[in-house]
Amino acid sequence: QKEVEQDPGPLSVPEGAIVSLNCTYSNSAFQYFMWYRQYSRKGPELLMYTYSSGNKEDGRFTAQVDKSSKYISLFIRDSQPSDSATYLCASAGGTSYGKLTFGQGTILTVHP
Amino acid sequence: ETGVTQTPRHLVMGMTNKKSLKCEQHLGHNAMYWYKQSAKKPLELMFVYNFKEQTENNSVPSRFSPECPNSSHLFLHLHTLQPEDSALYLCASSRNVDSADTQYFGPGTRLTVL
Repeated sequence: QKEVEQDPGPLSVPEGAIVSLNCTYSNSAFQYFMWYRQYSRKGPELLMYTYSSGNKEDGRFTAQVDKSSKYISLFIRDSQPSDSATYLCASAGGTSYGKLTFGQGTILTVHP
Repeated sequence: ETGVTQTPRHLVMGMTNKKSLKCEQHLGHNAMYWYKQSAKKPLELMFVYNFKEQTENNSVPSRFSPECPNSSHLFLHLHTLQPEDSALYLCASSRNVDSADTQYFGPGTRLTVL
């Protein structure tokens, strides 16, 4: 079993839609949860960072972590064509000492 | 992306060639990382350096040889690679090797092995 599972998609939505991206993880020691966005021919850039369970909101983006079910979510409201990218979830914690464990990434396309 | 730079951006090499990838970070960080990103697979951590010392080698074949002369520079020396080594190689840096520290990625080097 992979430590972080993510549906690769692809996911295609119309502009303005609410997008829900999800990951599950298996390592109970994970405490830090991140979402990275990667545009084509670019490196990943940090989008959201959450410690432990709870919600975090930043503009149109909301990250949600439920440690009881080991579920990580990213919601994008009023999606825009510029949101089209690959979204990577990542987790860290316990004895991993900075080692991030990534999901496979979900390819998102927002069409006008 | 100017915080972490990588050169070259694209590289095509034969199986018998020797080449090197270069990474430089301008963020004053102490930790640097090499990752491999293959199609339809999660990012794979290859090596971790903290204050120029290697702290992690994730069972990487010896045909990949990292070098970290100082906290700002990281190299990946390549020799006798295989076609399955074709991938995007990403460098990252963070303040320290700590789960709480954000990792900042460079744009990557797209490597093709013929």
